[in-house]
Amino acid sequence: QSVLTQAPSASGTPGQRVTISCSGSSSNIGSYSVNWFHQLPGTAPKLLIYSNNQRPSGVPDRFSGSKSGTSASLAISGLQSEDEADYYCAAWDDSLNGVVFGGGTMLTVL
Amino acid sequence: EVQLVESGGGLVQPGGSLRLSCAASEFTFKLYAMSWVRQAPGKGLEWVSGISGSGGTTDYADSVKGRFTISRDNSENTLYLQMNNLRAEDTAVYYCAKDGQWLVQGGLDYWGQGTLVTVSS
Repeated sequence: QSVLTQAPSASGTPGQRVTISCSGSSSNIGSYSVNWFHQLPGTAPKLLIYSNNQRPSGVPDRFSGSKSGTSASLAISGLQSEDEADYYCAAWDDSLNGVVFGGGTMLTVL
Repeated sequence: EVQLVESGGGLVQPGGSLRLSCAASEFTFKLYAMSWVRQAPGKGLEWVSGISGSGGTTDYADSVKGRFTISRDNSENTLYLQMNNLRAEDTAVYYCAKDGQWLVQGGLDYWGQGTLVTVSS
């Protein structure tokens, strides 16, 4: 069982806006920045959002992140077929003295 | 372009040892924390261990504490993971990842392609 909680699956149609949530506690999301990664099948994960809401260069502005209290969200607007992937949230946890990941959300574009 | 290339994976018997390496290039290696993250077949991501830019601070997941040792050679731009007393549940693809900061915070901005470790008799 993961320290950060994510719904196992999400779906949307092309052009739609979808949101993926990540729930934690005061020892992780409540005190530290949240990072989001996506992973296509058979490939290494890639950083999508860092420091709650910052996009690395090259990441489209269709992707946005937010944080409130002990929860965080990743929003994808203008959904495209190539967005179909697994999405993971992560944050530092000072009770465990380590990085904790969510269990991952598999996004399906219908 | 930042490059991270892992090596050292393979098949090992339970109780055995393995040493993973990650060769880094195209960035100032000593300025950034590094982590190892693994992914068991069909499962999610699990952070294994991290080390600060200087190597002075190391952290481990409870699942590997006392069995795995992370280290780095800043003169050779290489990250290591020494894995001892391996168990079947350590079977996974192991990724080397660069943090965006001096200390491990989880903002892993570059990842290697991964190396497969299989623990089986």
